[in-house]
Amino acid sequence: KQEVTQIPAALSVPEGENLVLNCSFTDSAIYNLQWFRQDPGKGLTSLLLIQSSQREQTSGRLNASLDKSSGRSTLYIAASQPGDSATYLCAVKRNDMRFGAGTRLTVKP
Amino acid sequence: GAVVSQHPSWVICKSGTSVKIECRSLDFQATTMFWYRQFPKQSLMLMATSNEGSKATYEQGVEKDKFLINHASLTLSTLTVTSAHPEDSSFYICSADTSGTSTDTQYFGPGTRLTVL
Repeated sequence: KQEVTQIPAALSVPEGENLVLNCSFTDSAIYNLQWFRQDPGKGLTSLLLIQSSQREQTSGRLNASLDKSSGRSTLYIAASQPGDSATYLCAVKRNDMRFGAGTRLTVKP
Repeated sequence: GAVVSQHPSWVICKSGTSVKIECRSLDFQATTMFWYRQFPKQSLMLMATSNEGSKATYEQGVEKDKFLINHASLTLSTLTVTSAHPEDSSFYICSADTSGTSTDTQYFGPGTRLTVL
């Protein structure tokens, strides 16, 4: 059974800092990996989708990498802003999608 | 992009009543839909996988007689929480799969918040 782990569970940083969120998964036979953002009480917002054949994806200040063989992905956020405060979820897909527990990010002004 | 809707977005009901939640893929056909449950400050947990025209596959620990899933068409799946109790209060999120297309992506609905009094 696929297990997805996210480290750290919570992170608080001052505005402007660059930061890295980590995701690891136990079964490397995945189709893709996706990073989501979730604001309190809200649904999921897809940030980046990396197909299994890809190494990374970039969107604005976000960069996600995937090392499928080692079962790892990182989400890099550059020049963090208070508006980035949210929970970030990593999920891997094969026949279904399995989620990590998330990293709760707080960016302080 | 592909859009998945859920209805209602929130519902409050009395203990013992049944609640139906709809999940629709608006601009694509989804042979497979998934239902997730999220308790406060926890991650999404897969409850069941539903395939159009066949019985849903439930994850271990999820009561199939309590959480009835019907996937009657390629654009609609419903989750009925039968005889709801306060411990069923949660955020329910559905997703629809585009497997078989070039994107092979799951698209998520906005979620339904269920509160059982």
